[in-house]
Amino acid sequence: KQEVTQIPAALSVPEGENLVLNCSFTDSAIYNLQWFRQDPGKGLTSLLLIQSSQREQTSGRLNASLDKSSGRSTLYIAASQPGDSATYLCAVVTGANNLFFGTGTRLTVIP
Amino acid sequence: ETGVTQSPTHLIKTRGQQVTLRCSSQSGHNTVSWYQQALGQGPQFIFQYYREEENGRGNFPPRFSGLQFPNYSSELNVNALELDDSALYLCASSSTNDFGSPLHFGNGTRLTVT
Repeated sequence: KQEVTQIPAALSVPEGENLVLNCSFTDSAIYNLQWFRQDPGKGLTSLLLIQSSQREQTSGRLNASLDKSSGRSTLYIAASQPGDSATYLCAVVTGANNLFFGTGTRLTVIP
Repeated sequence: ETGVTQSPTHLIKTRGQQVTLRCSSQSGHNTVSWYQQALGQGPQFIFQYYREEENGRGNFPPRFSGLQFPNYSSELNVNALELDDSALYLCASSSTNDFGSPLHFGNGTRLTVT
């Protein structure tokens, strides 16, 4: 069974700092990997989707990388802002049309 | 463009009862998936519906069932509620049935089972 782990569980950084969030998964036979953010009491917002054949995807200040062979992905956030404060979740999609989420990293950006 | 809407926003039920949660998909999306998110945890995939048929299922028992209608809206039904079913239930719509396109989530239904 696919297991997805996110470390750290929580992170606090001062505004303007660059930061990296980590995601690891146990089974490298994935279809794609996705990053989401979740604000308190809300649904999820899709940030980036990386196909299994890709190495990275970028959107604005966000850059996600994928190393399928080692079962790892990172989400890099440049020049963090207080509005980036949220829980960040990664999810992997398997060929069996199943999707597995990690438990998330709660990010706080301090003004 | 109308986003994903879920109803009700909150619900309290008693153990053993049945519940129906509803989801309207985003305009142009033909696929809906449902998730259970316990407090402090990541969401768990329940199932996906495409063209009114179940098209993938996570590790949930048969008392979790669903429907998708011709307008692509969807229902999640849970029978014989248990205390552990208390969670935030999220639905998401997408334009493809293989999780190959971005998922658009609603804000969820908070279910409390007492």
